Amino acid sequence: EVRLVESGGGLVQPGGSLRLSCSASGFTFSTFWMHWVRQAPGKGLEWLSRINSDGTNQRYVDSVKGRFAISRDNAKNTLHLQMNSLRAEDTAIYYCARDDNGAHDHWGQGTLVTVSS
Amino acid sequence: DIQMTQSPSALSTSVGDRVTITCRASQSIDSWLAWYQQKPGKAPKLLIYMASNLQSGVPSRFSGSGSGTEFTLTISSLEPDDFATYYCQQYHILWTFGQGTKVEIK
Repeated sequence: EVRLVESGGGLVQPGGSLRLSCSASGFTFSTFWMHWVRQAPGKGLEWLSRINSDGTNQRYVDSVKGRFAISRDNAKNTLHLQMNSLRAEDTAIYYCARDDNGAHDHWGQGTLVTVSS
Repeated sequence: DIQMTQSPSALSTSVGDRVTITCRASQSIDSWLAWYQQKPGKAPKLLIYMASNLQSGVPSRFSGSGSGTEFTLTISSLEPDDFATYYCQQYHILWTFGQGTKVEIK
């Protein structure tokens, strides 16, 4: 069974940093692209970032480019999102998702990030 | 950037009704479109990929159609479990979600 479990969310002050993790199991992690998607409270879904299977190529939405960095550790079956210079508008539930030919076929349960003083 | 616009934003409907949700892309995305269902407090669930392909395990009352810039998600006969928010997503150039369509009980 495919399982994705996010962790690392919490309360952080504006301008601060946070590193999210997504632990994967039930599939060969190293062969799949992976994504981060977020959802602000009461709002819609926003795609953030994608990393290819070996971690050598990343893409970002403009709103997080230069502040967020996606990475992966295939030896540990783990995906990361390093978030710097956090703003109030980054408050959201952050989901990791597996890529299946472009669509997101499996999702984690999400981790809540709150940016507030 | 490719923008995705869904309509309607919300609809009130009844069990047994046929429901159609439209998604328009700001430029052609061929068939690089997915549909997701999200229930409150839960992660989204993939329903349709490549515009018209049903994801494994998804009931056959869900169907998708379209190509280019206009797409539809149809639920042939709404069941109680289908009351949720639905999102389209393009993956032709990067990834972009529509704003969502909330399907509510009339």
